[in-house]
Amino acid sequence: EDQVTQSPEALRLQEGESSSLNCSYTVSGLRGLFWYRQDPGKGPEFLFTLYSAGEEKEKERLKATLTKKESFLHITAPKPEDSATYLCAAFSGSARQLTFGSGTQLTVLP
Amino acid sequence: DAGVTQSPTHLIKTRGQQVTLRCSPKSGHDTVSWYQQALGQGPQFIFQYYEEEERQRGNFPDRFSGHQFPNYSSELNVNALLLGDSALYLCASSSGTDGQPQHFGDGTRLSIL
Repeated sequence: EDQVTQSPEALRLQEGESSSLNCSYTVSGLRGLFWYRQDPGKGPEFLFTLYSAGEEKEKERLKATLTKKESFLHITAPKPEDSATYLCAAFSGSARQLTFGSGTQLTVLP
Repeated sequence: DAGVTQSPTHLIKTRGQQVTLRCSPKSGHDTVSWYQQALGQGPQFIFQYYEEEERQRGNFPDRFSGHQFPNYSSELNVNALLLGDSALYLCASSSGTDGQPQHFGDGTRLSIL
């Protein structure tokens, strides 16, 4: 059974304090690893897709990386507006569906 | 360029009733997926529609059914509502190719009394 696990469940950072979020996955035939940001009362907002181990993507203060078992979302010098829940999801080529983790709730304090 | 739109935004029903939720995909997308998101959890896959057919289904009972129209819009129907069906229902659209990013609407918040 496909499984995606995110850690930590919650993370509080001071503004400017860099950190990383972890996403471990067990998926048959990975066809893509996705990161989303979700604000309260909103749907997930697409951030990145990673397709193969060693791949990296960057957007502003965020950088996503992928290995054969994990993905990391690195947040450099975060600002309060980066506060949100970050969701990781893996697309299985065999099951042909997207499996989400439970998310990391990030709070950045000014 | 309009993104994914869902209606209604909120809905209150009682146990045993039936509900229909609607979704219009992002322009240029032909595939629609539906998800259920409980509070504090990640979205759970219900099913996906492509070319007006259910292409893939998650672990949800037959009370959950759907439809896709020729203009790619979609409906999610839930019969015999249970208290446990209370959740945020999300629609996502993508191109037909597997592994392409799915773009989400803001969901319908369904409350069962």
